[in-house]
Amino acid sequence: EDKVVQSPLSLVVHEGDTVTLNCSYEVTNFRSLLWYKQEKKAPTFLFMLTSSGIEKKSGRLSSILDKKELSSILNITASQTGDSAIYLCAVNSGGYQKVTFGTGTKLQVIP
Amino acid sequence: NAGVTQTPKFQVLKTGQSMTLQCAQDMNHEYMSWYRQDPGMGLRLIHYSVGAGITDQGEVPNGYNVSRSTTEDFPLRLLSAAPSQTSVYFCASSLQGAGPSLETQYFGPGTRLLVL
Repeated sequence: EDKVVQSPLSLVVHEGDTVTLNCSYEVTNFRSLLWYKQEKKAPTFLFMLTSSGIEKKSGRLSSILDKKELSSILNITASQTGDSAIYLCAVNSGGYQKVTFGTGTKLQVIP
Repeated sequence: NAGVTQTPKFQVLKTGQSMTLQCAQDMNHEYMSWYRQDPGMGLRLIHYSVGAGITDQGEVPNGYNVSRSTTEDFPLRLLSAAPSQTSVYFCASSLQGAGPSLETQYFGPGTRLLVL
């Protein structure tokens, strides 16, 4: 059975801190790993990673995949209160229906 | 574009009642899916559709039915609601292109369902 584990489950940081969120997976036939941000409602897409070692960046957020370690990290630099959300990691292991989500990391950024 | 819309936003049901959660998208996406999100469980796929007239089961299909008569609409039916179906339900759609495009999967705002 495919499995995606995120850590920590929750995290409280101060504005300006750098945040590192972890995602590890055990799946057959890995195709891609995705990160989403979920605020009060629907998840919104952040990154899709398919190749090991290639960092993807969007503003203060960045993410990298390590296929050898079966893991990915999501970094947020100079965190802001607007970064407070649940961050979801998902792994696609073959086809549209084979997407396994982790339980998410709840991040709270306090002033 | 309205994107992916879901109705209702919130619903309370009694055990044994049936209801339909509505989902519509106006982006001409081929792929649509339904997820449920429970505390400590992440998002789990209930049913999905790869086009009008074609549906298939996801990870947790029991107790739910779907149909896809048009590209735009993908309703989820609860046949006989149970307290275990208390959850937040998300509908999502994505482009087909050369294949399902998960990085362009758009989620609806969700329906919060409480079954008493």
